[in-house]
Amino acid sequence: EVQLVQSGAEVKKPGESLKISCQGSGYRFTDYWVGWVRQMPGKGLEWMGLIFIGDSDSRYSPSFQGQVTISADKSINTAYLEWGSLKASDTAVYYCARLGSPAVTPVDTWGQGTLVTVSS
Amino acid sequence: QPMLTQSSSASASLGSSVKLTCTVNGGHSSYVIAWHQQQPGKAPRFLMKLEGSGRYNKGSGVPDRFSGSSSGADRYLTISNLQSEDEADYYCETWDSNTWLFGGGTRLTVL
Repeated sequence: EVQLVQSGAEVKKPGESLKISCQGSGYRFTDYWVGWVRQMPGKGLEWMGLIFIGDSDSRYSPSFQGQVTISADKSINTAYLEWGSLKASDTAVYYCARLGSPAVTPVDTWGQGTLVTVSS
Repeated sequence: QPMLTQSSSASASLGSSVKLTCTVNGGHSSYVIAWHQQQPGKAPRFLMKLEGSGRYNKGSGVPDRFSGSSSGADRYLTISNLQSEDEADYYCETWDSNTWLFGGGTRLTVL
Protein backbone atom coordinates (compact mmCIF):
# COMPACT_ATOMS: atom_id res chain seq x y z
CA GLU A 1 0.00 0.00 0.00
CA VAL A 2 1.33 3.41 -1.00
CA GLN A 3 1.47 5.69 2.05
CA LEU A 4 2.82 9.06 3.09
CA VAL A 5 3.14 9.53 6.85
CA GLN A 6 3.79 13.02 8.19
CA SER A 7 5.34 14.16 11.44
CA GLY A 8 3.17 15.32 14.32
CA ALA A 9 1.63 18.65 15.21
CA GLU A 10 3.93 21.50 16.19
CA VAL A 11 3.48 24.59 18.36
CA LYS A 12 6.12 27.26 17.81
CA LYS A 13 6.79 30.90 18.60
CA PRO A 14 7.28 33.59 15.94
CA GLY A 15 10.89 33.70 14.77
CA GLU A 16 11.59 30.04 15.54
CA SER A 17 12.66 27.54 12.91
CA LEU A 18 10.86 24.33 12.01
CA LYS A 19 11.30 21.28 9.80
CA ILE A 20 8.42 18.88 9.23
CA SER A 21 8.67 15.55 7.48
CA CYS A 22 6.83 13.19 5.15
CA GLN A 23 7.93 9.55 4.91
CA GLY A 24 6.88 7.44 1.96
CA SER A 25 6.37 3.68 1.85
CA GLY A 26 4.94 1.05 -0.46
CA TYR A 27 6.63 2.39 -3.59
CA ARG A 28 10.02 3.40 -5.00
CA PHE A 29 10.27 6.77 -3.28
CA THR A 30 13.10 8.06 -5.45
CA ASP A 31 11.07 7.71 -8.67
CA TYR A 32 8.41 10.26 -7.78
CA TRP A 33 7.77 13.92 -7.18
CA VAL A 34 6.58 14.88 -3.69
CA GLY A 35 4.81 18.18 -3.12
CA TRP A 36 3.74 20.33 -0.19
CA VAL A 37 0.40 22.09 0.13
CA ARG A 38 -0.80 24.63 2.68
CA GLN A 39 -4.33 24.87 3.99
CA MET A 40 -5.05 27.82 6.22
CA PRO A 41 -8.03 27.62 8.58
CA GLY A 42 -11.27 27.52 6.62
CA LYS A 43 -9.50 27.97 3.27
CA GLY A 44 -8.64 25.98 0.18
CA LEU A 45 -5.47 24.20 -0.95
CA GLU A 46 -2.40 26.23 -1.99
CA TRP A 47 0.66 24.76 -3.59
CA MET A 48 3.99 25.58 -2.00
CA GLY A 49 6.50 23.53 -3.93
CA LEU A 50 7.61 20.09 -4.99
CA ILE A 51 10.73 18.01 -5.30
CA PHE A 52 11.80 15.10 -7.46
CA ILE A 53 13.32 12.78 -4.90
CA GLY A 54 15.73 11.11 -7.30
CA ASP A 55 17.81 14.20 -8.04
CA SER A 56 16.32 16.83 -5.67
CA ASP A 57 15.14 18.98 -8.57
CA SER A 58 12.70 21.35 -6.89
CA ARG A 59 10.07 23.86 -7.97
CA TYR A 60 8.50 26.55 -5.80
CA SER A 61 5.34 28.56 -6.00
CA PRO A 62 6.23 32.25 -6.40
CA SER A 63 4.18 32.86 -3.24
CA PHE A 64 6.51 30.66 -1.19
CA GLN A 65 9.87 31.01 -2.96
CA GLY A 66 12.42 32.17 -0.40
CA GLN A 67 10.00 31.58 2.50
CA VAL A 68 10.44 27.80 2.81
CA THR A 69 12.87 25.10 1.77
CA ILE A 70 11.91 21.70 0.44
CA SER A 71 14.43 18.90 0.67
CA ALA A 72 14.65 15.12 0.82
CA ASP A 73 16.73 12.32 2.31
CA LYS A 74 16.60 9.38 -0.09
CA SER A 75 18.21 7.03 2.41
CA ILE A 76 15.18 7.19 4.70
CA ASN A 77 12.45 7.84 2.10
CA THR A 78 11.63 11.21 3.62
CA ALA A 79 10.82 14.64 2.27
CA TYR A 80 10.96 17.81 4.36
CA LEU A 81 9.45 21.27 4.52
CA GLU A 82 11.45 23.81 6.47
CA TRP A 83 11.07 27.35 7.74
CA GLY A 84 13.92 29.48 8.94
CA SER A 85 11.80 32.02 10.80
CA LEU A 86 8.13 31.34 11.42
CA LYS A 87 5.40 33.96 11.44
CA ALA A 88 1.94 33.82 12.99
CA SER A 89 0.54 33.75 9.45
CA ASP A 90 2.27 30.36 8.90
CA THR A 91 -0.36 28.79 11.17
CA ALA A 92 -2.00 26.16 8.96
CA VAL A 93 -2.22 22.49 8.15
CA TYR A 94 0.48 21.31 5.76
CA TYR A 95 0.00 18.29 3.54
CA CYS A 96 2.51 16.35 1.51
CA ALA A 97 1.38 14.56 -1.63
CA ARG A 98 2.76 12.17 -4.21
CA LEU A 99 2.71 13.40 -7.76
CA GLY A 100 3.94 11.66 -10.87
CA SER A 101 6.93 9.75 -12.16
CA PRO A 102 9.06 10.83 -13.94
CA ALA A 103 6.98 13.78 -15.14
CA VAL A 104 4.80 15.75 -12.78
CA THR A 105 1.23 14.46 -12.96
CA PRO A 106 -1.73 15.02 -10.63
CA VAL A 107 -1.67 13.81 -7.04
CA ASP A 108 -2.64 10.22 -6.28
CA THR A 109 -1.70 9.98 -2.59
CA TRP A 110 -1.90 12.42 0.31
CA GLY A 111 -0.26 12.50 3.72
CA GLN A 112 -2.44 12.88 6.80
CA GLY A 113 -1.39 16.49 7.39
CA THR A 114 0.70 18.33 9.98
CA LEU A 115 -0.85 21.15 11.99
CA VAL A 116 1.58 23.98 12.63
CA THR A 117 0.56 26.61 15.16
CA VAL A 118 2.68 29.74 15.51
CA SER A 119 1.79 31.88 18.50
CA SER A 120 3.57 34.00 21.03
CA GLN B 1 -1.59 30.48 -17.61
CA PRO B 2 -4.51 28.11 -17.05
CA MET B 3 -6.81 28.26 -14.05
CA LEU B 4 -9.21 25.71 -12.62
CA THR B 5 -12.66 27.12 -11.84
CA GLN B 6 -15.21 25.43 -9.59
CA SER B 7 -18.55 26.54 -8.18
CA SER B 8 -18.17 27.39 -4.51
CA SER B 9 -21.11 25.30 -3.36
CA ALA B 10 -23.59 22.63 -4.40
CA SER B 11 -26.36 20.74 -2.69
CA ALA B 12 -28.43 17.66 -3.41
CA SER B 13 -30.72 15.29 -1.53
CA LEU B 14 -29.77 12.03 0.11
CA GLY B 15 -30.02 9.22 -2.45
CA SER B 16 -29.97 11.55 -5.47
CA SER B 17 -27.12 12.37 -7.88
CA VAL B 18 -24.98 15.47 -8.26
CA LYS B 19 -22.55 16.55 -10.97
CA LEU B 20 -19.69 18.85 -9.98
CA THR B 21 -17.79 20.84 -12.60
CA CYS B 22 -14.17 21.91 -12.92
CA THR B 23 -13.43 24.19 -15.89
CA VAL B 24 -9.91 24.47 -17.27
CA ASN B 25 -9.67 28.12 -18.29
CA GLY B 26 -6.89 29.22 -20.63
CA GLY B 27 -5.50 25.77 -21.19
CA HIS B 28 -5.82 22.80 -23.47
CA SER B 29 -8.95 20.69 -23.44
CA SER B 30 -6.68 17.63 -23.22
CA TYR B 31 -5.62 18.35 -19.61
CA VAL B 32 -5.58 15.46 -17.19
CA ILE B 33 -6.94 16.54 -13.82
CA ALA B 34 -7.50 14.82 -10.50
CA TRP B 35 -10.52 15.04 -8.22
CA HIS B 36 -10.03 14.99 -4.46
CA GLN B 37 -12.49 14.80 -1.59
CA GLN B 38 -11.91 16.47 1.76
CA GLN B 39 -14.33 15.56 4.51
CA PRO B 40 -14.54 17.96 7.47
CA GLY B 41 -11.43 17.84 9.63
CA LYS B 42 -9.69 15.28 7.42
CA ALA B 43 -6.90 15.21 4.86
CA PRO B 44 -7.79 15.30 1.18
CA ARG B 45 -8.44 11.92 -0.42
CA PHE B 46 -7.62 11.13 -4.04
CA LEU B 47 -10.75 10.09 -5.94
CA MET B 48 -9.72 9.82 -9.59
CA LYS B 49 -7.60 11.02 -12.47
CA LEU B 50 -9.72 12.21 -15.39
CA GLU B 51 -8.55 12.72 -18.98
CA GLY B 52 -9.92 15.09 -21.59
CA SER B 53 -11.31 12.03 -23.40
CA GLY B 54 -13.48 11.25 -20.37
CA ARG B 55 -11.47 8.20 -19.38
CA TYR B 56 -10.83 8.03 -15.66
CA ASN B 57 -8.91 5.92 -13.13
CA LYS B 58 -10.16 5.81 -9.58
CA GLY B 59 -8.17 5.49 -6.41
CA SER B 60 -8.20 2.39 -4.27
CA GLY B 61 -11.44 1.93 -2.35
CA VAL B 62 -13.37 4.72 -4.09
CA PRO B 63 -16.99 3.57 -4.37
CA ASP B 64 -18.60 2.84 -7.72
CA ARG B 65 -20.98 5.74 -7.01
CA PHE B 66 -18.19 8.12 -8.07
CA SER B 67 -17.58 8.60 -11.78
CA GLY B 68 -15.94 11.13 -14.08
CA SER B 69 -16.58 12.58 -17.52
CA SER B 70 -15.31 15.40 -19.72
CA SER B 71 -16.61 17.79 -22.33
CA GLY B 72 -14.22 20.30 -23.90
CA ALA B 73 -12.62 22.29 -21.10
CA ASP B 74 -15.03 20.92 -18.48
CA ARG B 75 -14.23 18.03 -16.17
CA TYR B 76 -17.07 16.49 -14.21
CA LEU B 77 -17.38 14.48 -11.05
CA THR B 78 -20.71 12.69 -10.69
CA ILE B 79 -21.76 11.18 -7.38
CA SER B 80 -24.76 8.88 -7.54
CA ASN B 81 -26.94 7.66 -4.68
CA LEU B 82 -25.64 10.40 -2.41
CA GLN B 83 -24.78 9.38 1.12
CA SER B 84 -24.33 11.57 4.19
CA GLU B 85 -20.58 10.88 4.18
CA ASP B 86 -20.32 12.49 0.74
CA GLU B 87 -20.81 15.88 2.38
CA ALA B 88 -17.37 17.35 1.86
CA ASP B 89 -15.24 19.78 -0.11
CA TYR B 90 -14.24 18.61 -3.58
CA TYR B 91 -11.14 19.95 -5.31
CA CYS B 92 -9.82 19.54 -8.82
CA GLU B 93 -6.09 19.74 -9.43
CA THR B 94 -3.54 19.56 -12.23
CA TRP B 95 -0.03 20.59 -13.22
CA ASP B 96 0.98 22.84 -16.12
CA SER B 97 4.09 24.76 -17.10
CA ASN B 98 5.77 24.69 -13.70
CA THR B 99 2.57 25.57 -11.91
CA TRP B 100 0.61 23.24 -9.67
CA LEU B 101 -3.03 24.27 -9.97
CA PHE B 102 -5.92 23.79 -7.57
CA GLY B 103 -9.51 24.76 -8.07
CA GLY B 104 -11.09 26.78 -5.30
CA GLY B 105 -13.15 23.78 -4.20
CA THR B 106 -16.87 23.01 -4.16
CA ARG B 107 -18.58 22.49 -0.82
CA LEU B 108 -21.20 19.79 -1.27
CA THR B 109 -24.12 19.71 1.15
CA VAL B 110 -26.26 16.57 1.33
CA LEU B 111 -29.81 17.55 2.24
